[in-house]
Amino acid sequence: QKEVEQNSGPLSVPEGAIASLNCTYSDQGSQSFFWYRQYSGKSPELIMFIYSNGDKEDGRFTAQLNKASQYVSLLIRDSQPSDSATYLCAVNYFGGRISQGGSEKLVFGKGTKLTVNP
Amino acid sequence: DTEVTQTPKHLVMGMTNKKSLKCEQHMGHRAMYWYKQKAKKPPELMFVYSYEKLSINESVPSRFSPECPNSSLLNLHLHALQPEDSALYLCASSQGQGSTGNTIYFGEGSWLTVV
Repeated sequence: QKEVEQNSGPLSVPEGAIASLNCTYSDQGSQSFFWYRQYSGKSPELIMFIYSNGDKEDGRFTAQLNKASQYVSLLIRDSQPSDSATYLCAVNYFGGRISQGGSEKLVFGKGTKLTVNP
Repeated sequence: DTEVTQTPKHLVMGMTNKKSLKCEQHMGHRAMYWYKQKAKKPPELMFVYSYEKLSINESVPSRFSPECPNSSLLNLHLHALQPEDSALYLCASSQGQGSTGNTIYFGEGSWLTVV
């Protein structure tokens, strides 16, 4: 069973602070990792993807990946009230060669609800 | 704005009705997906189509029937649903399958209520 675990939260931070969201995954063979943001009543929106060990920065967002520890995180700097949402970690699991009928699928963690207080 | 378009946005249907959810993308993506999301839960994969062929069926009940008429369109036919099938149904697409970092993009979803 492919699993993705996230801190269930909720996580509450003051405006301007750094929010840290964490995720672990079970399959050592996983290659692609994603963070989605989902506002209440809306569909998931892609924030970041990462597939190499280390840090990847995009504006106020930094994704960090450590494949040896099977750990991926998302840091949000200078948090804003508009960042309040549920953040979903997702891992792309690939089962076998496409040419031999293999397929890949995205498995989500349960999400962490973030509230940024003004 | 998402480039994956889903219709209808809201659907209320009786347990004896037959209805369909539709999804369209014009990004040239060759993989399309149906996910189901219940309140306060993460999305759960239902079906994957790769190059217009069904490649994954996550043991979904037969009252849900997917169809991929061409590489841009994906339908989900609904028949004899139960109230517990009420959920947000998300369509998604990606460039293909089998490549690192194959990013999946979601549509806005179709809210389904079964009465």
